[in-house]
Amino acid sequence: GAVVSQHPSWVICKSGTSVKIECRSLDFQATTMFWYRQFPKQSLMLMATSNEGSKATYEQGVEKDKFLINHASLTLSTLTVTSAHPEDSSFYICSALINEQYFGPGTRLTVT
Amino acid sequence: KQEVTQIPAALSVPEGENLVLNCSFTDSAIYNLQWFRQDPGKGLTSLLLIQSSQREQTSGRLNASLDKSSGRSTLYIAASQPGDSATYLCAVRTGNQFYFGTGTSLTVIP
Repeated sequence: GAVVSQHPSWVICKSGTSVKIECRSLDFQATTMFWYRQFPKQSLMLMATSNEGSKATYEQGVEKDKFLINHASLTLSTLTVTSAHPEDSSFYICSALINEQYFGPGTRLTVT
Repeated sequence: KQEVTQIPAALSVPEGENLVLNCSFTDSAIYNLQWFRQDPGKGLTSLLLIQSSQREQTSGRLNASLDKSSGRSTLYIAASQPGDSATYLCAVRTGNQFYFGTGTSLTVIP
């Protein structure tokens, strides 16, 4: 089956720094990838749709200048959390779309 | 806007019991519906995908049904096992938009 990886699986950073999370489709190419955020014991909240070769489409309320998304190739999308704040601490999950969504294992971000 | 609701929010059953998880959605114009499993601190694992033209899908002890007209899907788990303990999420697709339910946290007691 289709495999999606994320790196890192967890990261701790200080307030004000930037963190980059990578999402890779390992055995297939994906024109479209999605980035989600999940708070404890809550469902997934779609942050943005990442389209290869074009600008990401952000959901209402998501700051595009804070959460930078780059989908430079058909197998890689990156999410950069800029000027991280403790409120950005969360579980970030990406998925790649080919007929159905295949999810990465998630990245736990903790901002101190 | 599509709204997806899952009932119950949490469920605890003894091992061996058959159980049903429910998912309802407000807009019946869906492309497909997917059931996922999520273990604590992990990503989502796809369990079953039902296209809008289908009524049900089966995989092992899992059976998912879809009634588009009433906006409902059920996930039936037969002979539950402790390893089935996880959070189960349903998601409906409309175009390239995906809407997730709030999840059902399942605990199977040995």
